[in-house]
Amino acid sequence: DAGVTQSPTHLIKTRGQQVTLRCSPKSGHDTVSWYQQALGQGPQFIFQYYEEEERQRGNFPDRFSGHQFPNYSSELNVNALLLGDSALYLCASSRQYQETQYFGPGTRLLVL
Amino acid sequence: QQPVQSPQAVILREGEDAVINCSSSKALYSVHWYRQKHGEAPVFLMILLKGGEQKGHDKISASFNEKKQQSSLYLTASQLSYSGTYFCGTEISWQAGTALIFGKGTTLSVSS
Repeated sequence: DAGVTQSPTHLIKTRGQQVTLRCSPKSGHDTVSWYQQALGQGPQFIFQYYEEEERQRGNFPDRFSGHQFPNYSSELNVNALLLGDSALYLCASSRQYQETQYFGPGTRLLVL
Repeated sequence: QQPVQSPQAVILREGEDAVINCSSSKALYSVHWYRQKHGEAPVFLMILLKGGEQKGHDKISASFNEKKQQSSLYLTASQLSYSGTYFCGTEISWQAGTALIFGKGTTLSVSS
């Protein structure tokens, strides 16, 4: 049973560029949440997708956007990258109305 | 409101015990515990639910004190594999789902 997968594993971008990160949820899961984890910090909630719609958003600007596809996989897009966007981006999947979220290995983004 | 974890770091020898605390300024209905090893995804350990029901890991236990709005994670007879950063997460909920607000983490180092 495959767990949550994310791609790419690492990415280097320059300020002002745009980036797209991808996530495939655990088999049987229909809900995808994205988190940003800065060095030495806990993960911070960006937003959650269910039924191809953004259901809730944390305290992140509109430069952060996403998408969920009919097969439940998801993308996170970040526009106009800032140095402060450098972080580990984690995807977590779950079943709707169930509490446990399972995390993927993350994508480490470095903005220069 | 981000939960507060204490201590920030713990250093143990194999076989020693540790307690990690997680406190919230708002009413708690559940607390989620994860462990993250360096460069890896957070791994789900357990959920503590209001009313005392515990689900999750077989070698690590936890408690939930509703009055104090606090949860504690107990690691007994620690093993080298226990090393990592432990995060507690509290839920934010809306009509269609939930997400987690994480503390800053407690780093546990176990040596032989």
